[in-house]
Order: sequence, then structure tokens, then C-alpha cells
Amino acid sequence: NAGVMQNPRHLVRRRGQEARLRCSPMKGHSHVYWYRQLPEEGLKFMVYLQKENIIDESGMPKERFSAEFPKEGPSILRIQQVVRGDSAAYFCASSPNGDRSYEQYFGPGTRLTVT
Amino acid sequence: GDSVTQMEGPVTLSEEAFLTINCTYTATGYPSLFWYVQYPGEGLQLLLKATKADDKGSNKGFEATYRKETTSFHLEKGSVQVSDSAVYFCALINQAGTALIFGKGTTLSVSS
Repeated sequence: NAGVMQNPRHLVRRRGQEARLRCSPMKGHSHVYWYRQLPEEGLKFMVYLQKENIIDESGMPKERFSAEFPKEGPSILRIQQVVRGDSAAYFCASSPNGDRSYEQYFGPGTRLTVT
Repeated sequence: GDSVTQMEGPVTLSEEAFLTINCTYTATGYPSLFWYVQYPGEGLQLLLKATKADDKGSNKGFEATYRKETTSFHLEKGSVQVSDSAVYFCALINQAGTALIFGKGTTLSVSS
């Protein structure tokens, strides 16, 4: 059973460009979460999505960041007009449902570098 | 709000030494608690979990007990190996069930 897949694994963007990060959840999982790991910091929650719905986006920066999880295809985290401070590792996780006792399964991450 | 505090690292041990990484939490109610491990350049892997008070999670020789009296979930292993070198994160699920709240992570380095 394939795990959570993320691509690309490494992404380099110049300031002002757009970054698109993709996440395919584990088979049978319909809940997706995005986290960001900044250098020297722990992981911070960004957004929680179900198919075609954003359930909790309390951790998303108010500007330039957006996320979607369409009916078909992977979840996308989109960062417009990237700045150096966006350089980080972005992790996607999935779970079979929203039960609080269920663990979240993490992907390998996308490491974004903004030059 | 909900938060997790874990001991600062790095923790440096010799092979076969005893390991304890302290973790305490602040939360509304009794959230499920987790330990995740991150090896260099990789994502997080679930190490163990506990869903209610007095539960003991265990895996690969690691153990942690959910203590509601002390709001703690300390990670222990009786005899560490070089292959255990990694960053360990303590986490809880928020009350809404929408997000994991992580501690800052503790780096463990084991030498032979």
C-alpha cells in the first residue's frame, strides 16, 4: 500500500515566482493536512482539507497561500509571489477520517528554496 | 491554547544507554497523544500513540505512558542503538480534531 506521496521533493523558485506543491494521500484516505517546518522551528499546522472542502485553515498565512483538494487528483498547496521567508519543508499528511484518535500519516515532504 | 513542551536537545548518548525525552502538554480535555520520529531528510513516522489516560503506547522498544495527573507523555527506551539517532516530536491532536500540535523536537544522537 503506497504511502503519502509528495512532489516535487525539492523545489527551487526565485522571489516573485509561484510554487505548487502536490500531495496524494494514502489509498482510502480522504482527509489531508498541510504542515510547514521552518528552520530551527517545529512543525506548524497550516490547513486541513477534505475532498472539495477546506475544513480548517487557521494556520494559513492570510496572503499568497492557498490550498485545494479537488474531487479528482492530488491536493495542491499554492504559494504565489514567493519570498525568502517561504523557504521551508512542507509536509502533507493524511488520515482515513477526522476521528481525533486516528494518527496522521506523513509524506516525505517538499523542500522549497527561494533564491 | 493547546501546546506541547518537550525537553531541549540535543541529547547525546552512548549505545545501550537509557533514554528519556520529557514531554508535557496543555490542552482542553484529554487529547490523543503521539510521538513521531524524523530521520534526516525524511518525513515524520508515527512511533507510538495513546488515546486515553493511563494508556501506554509502545513500539520498537520505545514506550510512553499518558499521565493526566502530570499532563505528561515522556518517551523512554531501555537501550538505544545508533540507528535511533533522529529528531523526536511529541504531539497532541487539538480538540476540534483538525490539527496536530507539535513540540519543537528533540535531537537524539547515539554513538557506538
